[in-house]
Amino acid sequence: DTEVTQTPKHLVMGMTNKKSLKCEQHMGHRAMYWYKQKAKKPPELMFVYSYEKLSINESVPSRFSPECPNSSLLNLHLHALQPEDSALYLCASSQRQGTYYGYTFGSGTRLTVV
Amino acid sequence: DQQVKQNSPSLSVQEGRISILNCDYTNSMFDYFLWYKKYPAEGPTFLISISSIKDKNEDGRFTVFLNKSAKHLSLHIVPSQPGDSAVYFCAATPNYGGSQGNLIFGKGTKLSVKP
Repeated sequence: DTEVTQTPKHLVMGMTNKKSLKCEQHMGHRAMYWYKQKAKKPPELMFVYSYEKLSINESVPSRFSPECPNSSLLNLHLHALQPEDSALYLCASSQRQGTYYGYTFGSGTRLTVV
Repeated sequence: DQQVKQNSPSLSVQEGRISILNCDYTNSMFDYFLWYKKYPAEGPTFLISISSIKDKNEDGRFTVFLNKSAKHLSLHIVPSQPGDSAVYFCAATPNYGGSQGNLIFGKGTKLSVKP
């Protein structure tokens, strides 16, 4: 299995809702990442987990809450989002933080906040 | 300020010819560079990478050249095929402190290969 699987593919949520994005990989990678990509912009790093521990938080607002329950799973919990948070959320993984061999992205979750 | 720049938002090439996509960077601490290809509604797909200790890496139809003194890299696709039509992102990573693992992307170049 050489894939990073993200669910759901599309999500529409209201500003008062709570939802979660899920990311899963079974490649034995020990680093996992969340990126945000707005239209016609490059992906921007949000969080990095290394060995299930939060390693980097790129000053992301607290309405985004990451969680890494085990080495294969990465969640992004969403609460009280704003319309400007609408974007493609990409998950990625690599063998280890700082190694780029096999740095693989999922297909993303297209999030719309209404 | 953008650290990774892809100054051509789009490129159109005839099938069978060479496609050259360019990327410039400003941070001399970048030590690893990657090219990704992205179709609409899909995540970026890794294409090819190069370490700063090399000046060329080749994989099939794809070759990446790195000119460290000019802080410039380019992706050559030859021959170009219609299936290569996609957005190509250049990404770089710095090797310092806690930034390991952070890929910094350019804005992308949309390549169209015409039959």
